[in-house]
Amino acid sequence: AAGVIQSPRHLIKEKRETATLKCYPIPRHDTVYWYQQGPGQDPQFLISFYEKMQSDKGSIPDRFSAQQFSDYHSELNMSSLELGDSALYFCASVVRGGKNEQYFGPGTRLTVT
Amino acid sequence: DQQVKQNSPSLSVQEGRISILNCDYTNSMFDYFLWYKKYPAEGPTFLISISSIKDKNEDGRFTVFLNKSAKHLSLHIVPSQPGDSAVYFCAASEPEVFSGSARQLTFGSGTQLTVLP
Repeated sequence: AAGVIQSPRHLIKEKRETATLKCYPIPRHDTVYWYQQGPGQDPQFLISFYEKMQSDKGSIPDRFSAQQFSDYHSELNMSSLELGDSALYFCASVVRGGKNEQYFGPGTRLTVT
Repeated sequence: DQQVKQNSPSLSVQEGRISILNCDYTNSMFDYFLWYKKYPAEGPTFLISISSIKDKNEDGRFTVFLNKSAKHLSLHIVPSQPGDSAVYFCAASEPEVFSGSARQLTFGSGTQLTVLP
């Protein structure tokens, strides 16, 4: 079965650079969530989209923005990167209205040097 | 304030025995609970879930129990296998309050399960 795809899997950036992370949800899933997992921490909700509209924001810095496109894939744009942004970034997808069983992608490991 | 708590950072059990992972929550608005399994450098893998209207859900070797009055849930794995060794996260979400509203997951801090052969 098709799973959530994230790219790139690994990304190394320097401070103050920008990064774009991509997420391709499971086919027919209309809702995408982004989570950030710092070292030794649990995943923290960043932002979510339903039908290409932002549905909620969590602890996402103003330096980050995201969007969902007509094919339901989503991109997380990160600017003015800081050392503290180094983390695993997960995307999860789900069908709204059903069970809230979110399926996660493999994650993007971002390292800021 | 952590709304979902897994107080045991690690658990070791013998192969073939039962593994019991525990989770407590404080937010009474949570209506859906999930367990995820995670290997290093991989995304969380969905295992099993339970709605707040139920007190038990079973899927093969995995059973989740929910005690709403105690705000406690547990995951039972029987029999435990070495391949079950991973970090297990408990997660919870609130209901959809309006059409399209988000139901983001709030995670516990995880329990590292080690199943010894």
